[in-house]
Amino acid sequence: EAGVTQFPSHSVIEKGQTVTLRCDPISGHDNLYWYRRVMGKEIKFLLHFVKESKQDESGMPNNRFLAERTGGTYSTLKVQPAELEDSGVYFCASSQVRGGYGYTFGSGTRLTVV
Amino acid sequence: GENVEQHPSTLSVQEGDSAVIKCTYSDSASNYFPWYKQELGKGPQLIIDIRSNVGEKKDQRIAVTLNKTAKHFSLHITETQPEDSAVYFCAATDQTGANNLFFGTGTRLTVIP
Repeated sequence: EAGVTQFPSHSVIEKGQTVTLRCDPISGHDNLYWYRRVMGKEIKFLLHFVKESKQDESGMPNNRFLAERTGGTYSTLKVQPAELEDSGVYFCASSQVRGGYGYTFGSGTRLTVV
Repeated sequence: GENVEQHPSTLSVQEGDSAVIKCTYSDSASNYFPWYKQELGKGPQLIIDIRSNVGEKKDQRIAVTLNKTAKHFSLHITETQPEDSAVYFCAATDQTGANNLFFGTGTRLTVIP
């Protein structure tokens, strides 16, 4: 079974630029989550998709962040325009059921905004 | 939402010794507490979990204990090996929202050969 795939693995962009992160969940997993870890901090929840619908986006920092999951398959997270404080590692996870069970994480995208 | 605190932030032990990582949570209704291990260049991977109707769970060299009254849970690794070196995260579900996972700040464990 293929795992959760994220790309790019690393991205360095200048402040004000746009970056799009992609996540391919495990096939058949309806639940897809985005998390972010800023250095030394917790892995912080951003949002949760059930299929193509946003179930909970209470963790999204502000309107510079836009997540989509067209067709209920892969998901993208766009940051536009990027700010220095957006730097961190962005993780995607997927699961078959809700409730925190059975999360499989991708390897993450390390975003550096300079 | 749920607030999870984790200590210590770093932990160094000699190979063969035990390691203990502790977490507290704020939502008394939380009922699921997983532990994740993140190795360099990889994403977090579930290593053990416990539900609120159980006080302790063990899987070979790792065990987790849960004290619901005090709202804290701990990870215990015995007979540590160099390959146990990684960052460990505790987590708890948020019962006030959509049951998503909320994580602690992580513990970097170093096992010294």
